[in-house]
Parts: sequence; structure tokens; C-alpha cells
Amino acid sequence: GDKVKQSPSALSLQEGTNSALRCNFSIAATTVQWFLQNPRGSLMNLFYLVPGTKENGRLKSAFDSKESYSTLHIRDAQLEDSGTYFCAAVSGGNYKPTFGKGTSLVVHP
Amino acid sequence: NSKVIQTPRYLVKGQGQKAKMRCIPEKGHPVVFWYQQNKNNEFKFLINFQNQEVLQQIDMTEKRFSAECPSNSPCSLEIQSSEAGDSALYLCASSPGGGAETLYFGSGTRLTVL
Repeated sequence: GDKVKQSPSALSLQEGTNSALRCNFSIAATTVQWFLQNPRGSLMNLFYLVPGTKENGRLKSAFDSKESYSTLHIRDAQLEDSGTYFCAAVSGGNYKPTFGKGTSLVVHP
Repeated sequence: NSKVIQTPRYLVKGQGQKAKMRCIPEKGHPVVFWYQQNKNNEFKFLINFQNQEVLQQIDMTEKRFSAECPSNSPCSLEIQSSEAGDSALYLCASSPGGGAETLYFGSGTRLTVL
């Protein structure tokens, strides 16, 4: 099965609303990264996490290594938040990030 | 926010042809990764380097794919004999290294094999 499972696979939000994306890990993840990919393919870094939480503007992310999951919260969604969100996890000393299959987000007016 | 430069942006090849793409990592980043992203958004790790040395690579890379990161030159990934199934977005990322640190991706090379 998938080592990194992202949910939901697709999401439609109205501008100004809030939502949460999730990654569940079947590997012993030690670090997690979140990225946003635009339609042209460029990947933008959002967060790099060891267990704990981080916040940046309208985005907040948490990583719980014991419960093997990470979340990305989007507050007050804007049109420019549209794209595909990926999480990638590293386990142990094998530094080879494993990616989920992404959550495709569309924010509409 | 990334300073990783990948060229070309698009690459079109016939089956059996060589396909070569390049990557200039962010300055000061000794670790370089290559990933293949297919049309289903699945990322497949291909190979990574620390400076000029290969750290890890998958079997596919050992057979038809070759990659290098020479000093003072761009890193490169080359497919010796392209197949239709190689059509994908090839992403290069660099990292400051020293452990599990964040990846900075380039914009990718989109390869189409006709």
C-alpha cells in the first residue's frame, strides 16, 4: 500500500473558507515537508517539519510522528491557493523523501 | 522562492532517442535529487548525489538512465533510449544537506516521448 496517503484527493473551497488537508504515514516518518505545485509544475516549499507545529500567514501545519500523520490547515482560502498540495516524508536515516499523491485544491469566488 | 534552474523546460523525443536534461542546484547546496512525476501525480525517486558522488539510485536509473553532477558544471540526467513510458515531468531538487533538510525544486523538464 501507499507509504504516504493524502486526503482528500480533491477539494473545492469557496473563497474565504477554511479547510484541512491530511497525510497519513505507514512509515516511521521523522520529518515532513509540504509543497504546493502550480499548474505549470513548479513546486513551492510551504513547510518543513520535525514533530510539532508551524504557522505561516494563513497556513498552519502540524506533524505528529507518534500518531503518524501531518495536517495542513488553510484559513481564509484565496484564489491563489489553488493548486496541488503534496506532503513528503522521510523515515529514519534513509534520506529519500517519499511523496503522497497530492490533494488538488480549487478555490472559487 | 527556489533558485534551482532546470533546462530545457520542454523536451520532445522519438522512441529510442536520447533525452538529456540539466539542473543547476542552488548555490551552496551539495545534495541533488532527481524525481520523475507521472501524469497521475506520482513521484518516483530516481537518484541523489552529494557533491559528485551518487548516494542512492533505483534499478531503472542503473539501466537506461544515467546521471552525473560534475564539479563546476550543471548536473544532468540522460535517458539513453527513450520509451513512451518515460513521458513525465522530471524534477530536480537541491538541499543544504547535513541530514533530513528541505528540498528546493526547479520548475522541471517535461519530457514527451512520441
